Amino acid sequence: GENVEQHPSTLSVQEGDSAVIKCTYSDSASNYFPWYKQELGKGPQLIIDIRSNVGEKKDQRIAVTLNKTAKHFSLHITETQPEDSAVYFCAASSGNEKLTFGTGTRLTIIP
Amino acid sequence: KAGVTQTPRYLIKTRGQQVTLSCSPISGHRSVSWYQQTPGQGLQFLFEYFSETQRNKGNFPGRFSGRQFSNSRSEMNVSTLELGDSALYLCASSLEGAAWETQYFGPGTRLLVL
Repeated sequence: GENVEQHPSTLSVQEGDSAVIKCTYSDSASNYFPWYKQELGKGPQLIIDIRSNVGEKKDQRIAVTLNKTAKHFSLHITETQPEDSAVYFCAASSGNEKLTFGTGTRLTIIP
Repeated sequence: KAGVTQTPRYLIKTRGQQVTLSCSPISGHRSVSWYQQTPGQGLQFLFEYFSETQRNKGNFPGRFSGRQFSNSRSEMNVSTLELGDSALYLCASSLEGAAWETQYFGPGTRLLVL
């Protein structure tokens, strides 16, 4: 089955700087890669996703890049703000397979 | 639209007991998936229900079971609880359950087994 590795497990950045979280996946058939943000006491919430026919996608301060050859994808958050502090999960799926999640990155924005 | 709701939010049980958790999906969503979240194992897929049928199952023992009702509400049951079952149990709903559909998560039920 699919295996998703996520790094780093914790990340602290100064407010206003950029944050990058990286994931690798094992199943070359995977074609859908969402990113979720989980705040304390809440369930994960989708923030951005990308499909395998696209190399990059942006939504305001958030962007995701996908390298199918290397089987890795990354989340980029620019101009970080205190409300970006949360745990972020990457995930991957292919066809009818359900989502396989990474182990999460705890992002802390330092004011 | 109301989001995914889960009840109860917190639960304390002792080893050997059983527990039933409930999930109400977003109106119009027919697929409900359940996940177990623990610090050590992260988010792990339990099972998915669509139109009252279990369509996918993760790698969990038979003590974990679920069902879905005609109104798409779902319940999961854990029998003979073990200490290791302590976790946050999340349910997520989507329209048809396709792998590429956005899954909307509820706030979870935090289960503590003593």
